[in-house]
Amino acid sequence: AQTVTQSQPEMSVQEAETVTLSCTYDTSESDYYLFWYKQPPSRQMILVIRQEAYKQQNATENRFSVNFQKAAKSFSLKISDSQLGDAAMYFCAYKGTGNQFYFGTGTSLTVIP
Amino acid sequence: KAGVTQTPRYLIKTRGQQVTLSCSPISGHRSVSWYQQTPGQGLQFLFEYFSETQRNKGNFPGRFSGRQFSNSRSEMNVSTLELGDSALYLCASSILSGSTEAFFGQGTRLTVV
Repeated sequence: AQTVTQSQPEMSVQEAETVTLSCTYDTSESDYYLFWYKQPPSRQMILVIRQEAYKQQNATENRFSVNFQKAAKSFSLKISDSQLGDAAMYFCAYKGTGNQFYFGTGTSLTVIP
Repeated sequence: KAGVTQTPRYLIKTRGQQVTLSCSPISGHRSVSWYQQTPGQGLQFLFEYFSETQRNKGNFPGRFSGRQFSNSRSEMNVSTLELGDSALYLCASSILSGSTEAFFGQGTRLTVV
């Protein structure tokens, strides 16, 4: 079975600084996708970034980038130039050949002005 | 283009009652998945519906059921409510079953007293 682990329940970062959120996963599948979702107080899950496992190049979306280490089954999210609006719960998620997402337990990010 | 709409946003029910939650996916999307989010268990997959058929089901008791209508709107029902059913119920909309891109609604916060 697929599992996703986020070992940092809470993180904080100073505004304009950089923070990295960690995620590891376990799977026996070779073809899969990894995601980072953001859940602000409004509760809606918003896709931050997506990585296809077959791509060696790390995905980047503006201030958000990932460090995807397939052999180590690690998928961390780096947020550069942190902004107050980045404060939220961040979930790492896995999707393989099945129809469901597997989510980690989340990391609560606080941005300090 | 309207997003995923979940109704109601908040609900308070008494133990033993039943409840029905609704999810309207993005126009043109035919797959609807349901997730239960609790502080202790995180996000757990309930089931997925595609073209009015249940495609996949998570590890939940039979008290949890759902259906999908011809316009792709989906409802989930929980019978004989228990205190432990208190959670945020999220709905995710995708174009097709198994799509890697999913859009989430804002959820229904169910409180069982």
